[in-house]
Amino acid sequence: QVQLQESGPGLVRPSQTLSLTCTVSGGSISSGSYFWTWIRQPAGKGLEWIGRIYTSGSTNYNPSLKSRVTVSLDTSKNQFSLRLTSVTAADTAVYYCAREPLDVWGQGTTVTVSS
Amino acid sequence: QSVLTQPPSASGTPGQRVAISCSGSSSNIGRNYVYWYQQLPRTAPKLLIYSDNRRPSGVPDRFSGSKSGTSASLAISGLRSEDEADYYCAAWDDSLSAWVFGGGTKLTVL
Repeated sequence: QVQLQESGPGLVRPSQTLSLTCTVSGGSISSGSYFWTWIRQPAGKGLEWIGRIYTSGSTNYNPSLKSRVTVSLDTSKNQFSLRLTSVTAADTAVYYCAREPLDVWGQGTTVTVSS
Repeated sequence: QSVLTQPPSASGTPGQRVAISCSGSSSNIGRNYVYWYQQLPRTAPKLLIYSDNRRPSGVPDRFSGSKSGTSASLAISGLRSEDEADYYCAAWDDSLSAWVFGGGTKLTVL
C-alpha cells in the first residue's frame, strides 16, 4: 500500500524559496503510469492544485503559480519535490503531496511564510 | 473564486439523506471524471468517490456520486454524526490543464 510523507521547513522568510519533499513508500515512484502532485490549503480555506510530474518527468503547473513553481522527481530516492520561489504571506498553507488520481495523500505539512 | 461551485454549507439530522452539488463547465465536469473528498478537521482529504460514481474499498455505500452534463452530486444517506466534515469535489480541467476544486461544503449533522 503506497504511502506519502511530506517533509521540509515549517518556516520560510518572505521572498525566499519554499522547498518540500514527498517520500513515497510501499511502492516505486517510477512504476505504473502515475502523476505525482502537490496541493495546498490555506488555513480555513479550500484546496488549490499547485502542479504535478509524470514518471517520465513531464510537468504541468497551475497557471496562477507557473512562474514560481518547479516540481521534480528523484527516482533513486523514491521522492518528488516542490520549489516555490519568491514566497509571500499568501503562500502560508498546509501543503499536501498526492498521487493521481488523487487517491493517495500525504498527511500534509504546514508552511508559514513570515519574517 | 473556485472553478467548481459548491454550496458553502449543508445540514441534516441523523438518518436523513443529504445531497451536495458541484457545478462546473464543459472543460472540466463535462469532459472528465469527478472526484469527491471528505476532510475532517486537521486531517488530509480522504477520497470518497472517484470516476463520478465509484467508491474505494472501505467507503460505506451510504455515500454515492452521480453526474449529469456539467454538474455532479454527492449523496449521503443514513446521515451519521461522524459524517460532519468538509466535502470537496474535484475534476481535471482541459482548458486550464489543471486540477480544479470546489470551494468546499461544510456539512453539519444537527
